[in-house]
Amino acid sequence: DSGVTQTPKHLITATGQRVTLRCSPRSGDLSVYWYQQSLDQGLQFLIQYYNGEERAKGNILERFSAQQFPDLHSELNLSSLELGDSALYFCASSATPGPSTDTQYFGPGTRLTVL
Amino acid sequence: EDKVVQSPLSLVVHEGDTVTLNCSYEVTNFRSLLWYKQEKKAPTFLFMLTSSGIEKKSGRLSSILDKKELFSILNITATQTGDSAVYLCAVGRTGKLIFGQGTTLQVKP
Repeated sequence: DSGVTQTPKHLITATGQRVTLRCSPRSGDLSVYWYQQSLDQGLQFLIQYYNGEERAKGNILERFSAQQFPDLHSELNLSSLELGDSALYFCASSATPGPSTDTQYFGPGTRLTVL
Repeated sequence: EDKVVQSPLSLVVHEGDTVTLNCSYEVTNFRSLLWYKQEKKAPTFLFMLTSSGIEKKSGRLSSILDKKELFSILNITATQTGDSAVYLCAVGRTGKLIFGQGTTLQVKP
């Protein structure tokens, strides 16, 4: 158990809908990262927040957005869902974004199925 | 474009065998190379390497980084069925990890 929690574990929804995935980082970690893992793309970085501020952005679609709250939990919002958004979504956390702290600890993931 | 390539993509061995997994990379602003093991769900951290030539070891697993030739290897000795998993290599650069496609290892009894 990494100490990173994610809810829900599974989510089944229809095309066009909007969902929110939630992540709580390890105690003391200030950075939260979101990744998408699909069969054809592997693990892809989406976005990073550090202490409430966006720090880095990857290949995140405009239909997706995220935020980190004062209590450091983070939410990833996915809207206008398409079949191709079906994937495992992971949250990871690390202590800081500094050069010695690239070690990221992953949560159990949320499996999103879009029908 | 940043790239992390792992080989082989899949491997089947028998218990007791030794395996070597490879990871090569072309990433700007390289800071570290990490290995993760992914079984059913979340990747679990194995090693982080930042310096060339210094082997990191944990039990039967070891890893080394060559920053000149831009690759790393992960060795597993005396493999067990519990080592069956996908092994992911990732390169850390500012704020994010860039993952390879993974090597699927199956260890048969």
